[in-house]
Amino acid sequence: GAVVSQHPSWVICKSGTSVKIECRSLDFQATTMFWYRQFPKQSLMLMATSNEGSKATYEQGVEKDKFLINHASLTLSTLTVTSAHPEDSSFYICSARGPNQPQHFGDGTRLSIL
Amino acid sequence: GNSVTQMEGPVTLSEEAFLTINCTYTATGYPSLFWYVQYPGEGLQLLLKATKADDKGSNKGFEATYRKETTSFHLEKGSVQVSDSAVYFCALNFQGGSEKLVFGKGTKLTVNP
Repeated sequence: GAVVSQHPSWVICKSGTSVKIECRSLDFQATTMFWYRQFPKQSLMLMATSNEGSKATYEQGVEKDKFLINHASLTLSTLTVTSAHPEDSSFYICSARGPNQPQHFGDGTRLSIL
Repeated sequence: GNSVTQMEGPVTLSEEAFLTINCTYTATGYPSLFWYVQYPGEGLQLLLKATKADDKGSNKGFEATYRKETTSFHLEKGSVQVSDSAVYFCALNFQGGSEKLVFGKGTKLTVNP
């Protein structure tokens, strides 16, 4: 079946640093990738939608300069949390889909900012 | 706007008990409906789906029926196992549209032996 790999699975870093999270589709071409954020005991909140080769579309209230998304190839999208602060600590999940396919989710990245 | 409301948990059951997790939706038009499962520390896995009214999705003993008249998609399983312990999310989207998934808040299920 379709596999989406997300890396790293857990990262701890100091406040003010930038963190990059990778999302790869391993056995299919992901024309669209989605980035979600999940707060403890809460649902997933869509942050942005990215289509390969074009700029990401951000949801209302999500700072595009804070959360940089790049979808440079059909198998890789990255989310960079710039100048991270403790309030950015969360569980970030990506999903990917190919043409006429449902979304397949990665295992998530737990980000802890000290 | 589009939204999903599911019963709040946590839900705690004994093994072999009957499970129902309620889910209702509000949407403009006719969405596709999904149930996703999230095991501890993992991402989401699609459990089942239904794309039109009266469709029944089923997988691993779980099932849910798309009820347009009650705008519901309740998840059921006749006999739960300890391995079913997870968080369950009801969701909707519009195929062919933006395809964003709109999730409910999730229901944590714990099954005790």
